[in-house]
Amino acid sequence: EAEVAQSPRYKITEKSQAVAFWCDPISGHATLYWYRQILGQGPELLVQFQDESVVDDSQLPKDRFSAERLKGVDSTLKIQPAELGDSAMYLCASSPSAGRREQYFGPGTRLTVT
Amino acid sequence: LAKTTQPISMDSYEGQEVNITCSHNNIATNDYITWYQQFPSQGPRFIIQGYKTKVTNEVASLFIPADRKSSTLSLPRVSLSDTAVYYCLVGEVNSGYSTLTFGKGTMLLVSP
Repeated sequence: EAEVAQSPRYKITEKSQAVAFWCDPISGHATLYWYRQILGQGPELLVQFQDESVVDDSQLPKDRFSAERLKGVDSTLKIQPAELGDSAMYLCASSPSAGRREQYFGPGTRLTVT
Repeated sequence: LAKTTQPISMDSYEGQEVNITCSHNNIATNDYITWYQQFPSQGPRFIIQGYKTKVTNEVASLFIPADRKSSTLSLPRVSLSDTAVYYCLVGEVNSGYSTLTFGKGTMLLVSP
């Protein structure tokens, strides 16, 4: 069964450093999502791509976060500089299209900022 | 966006049927109701989705009354492995972008 791949699985970084996460969605999935999940809360959508275009980044802290999906396939989420409050699980999900019922989530990247 | 309200936690025993109710009083005409399951240190997993009446799959059933202001996820004969957080989401799924928003979910604990 095809799965969403994410790397790294765990990342520890110091405050003010740059950090990047990578996501490879299920082949053929046009829609890609990045979520942030703080312990004890539900996932919060950061950015949504339809192919290579951003369709929703209203919750993305653009002063420090950036996301790209250059060829409409894999995607990178970057934080620069990292802050203590960025410690969270970063989840990537994909869907065949924005209107489809299911989002398929990857295993996530656990970020700890010290 | 429709806001959802779920119990923070529920307890059950193996073999019992579990019903988790979600309230969504301001659900819009085009909104669907979707449930996800999440185990610790994993991403959420789609369980079921519906618009009205009843939907059943191999994992669960979803009951939606006529006014659609609430919905109930029913898990038949739960096992220890059903211990997880269950999220109820309400939003459009046929528009150009997803409007589904995760809340805090319901933590289900199944005991022997």
